[in-house]
Amino acid sequence: GDSVTQMEGPVTLSEEAFLTINCTYTATGYPSLFWYVQYPGEGLQLLLKATKADDKGSNKGFEATYRKETTSFHLEKGSVQVSDSAVYFCALSDSGNQFYFGTGTSLTVIP
Amino acid sequence: EAQVTQNPRYLITVTGKKLTVTCSQNMNHEYMSWYRQDPGLGLRQIYYSMNVEVTDKGDVPEGYKVSRKEKRNFPLILESPSPNQTSLYFCASQTGTTGELFFGEGSRLTVL
Repeated sequence: GDSVTQMEGPVTLSEEAFLTINCTYTATGYPSLFWYVQYPGEGLQLLLKATKADDKGSNKGFEATYRKETTSFHLEKGSVQVSDSAVYFCALSDSGNQFYFGTGTSLTVIP
Repeated sequence: EAQVTQNPRYLITVTGKKLTVTCSQNMNHEYMSWYRQDPGLGLRQIYYSMNVEVTDKGDVPEGYKVSRKEKRNFPLILESPSPNQTSLYFCASQTGTTGELFFGEGSRLTVL
């Protein structure tokens, strides 16, 4: 079945450091891929998405490229801020009905 | 303001005592779904609904029921809760198949 595997955390970075959170997926069809972010005490919110191979999703300085050949959707940001501290979830949806989430990666950015 | 509202936000109950977690959205979304979040397991889909009177199982439906009698509401029912249903529950809604899920703030349930 469909599944998502993402990098274990927690991740701790200094402010302005480069961030990569790895995400790979398994899917039978051609899924849409997502990154969601969860700030403390809140529900998840969409960070970015890509709906087909080679698409790049971007938002708030974060980027991820849908790589079909490596079945990956790694999240990157060139310079993280303290306000980026949160839990990040990679997710896929094959049909728009069922969604599969990774286990989440906790990011802490220290000043 | 567009939102998904869940109640209660926190609940402690005992094994076997039926409970309902309500979920309501004001965005006229057709699609709604329930998830549970557990440490090390991420979010797992319990049930989803594509429209009124249309519901289907997700990955972990055992021990849960849902109903969708109105477009805006999608309650999650635990008929006989057990300690392994202690978890953080999220309701979400989505319009069409855009993939953007709008989440509620979560309901933390403890079953003793």
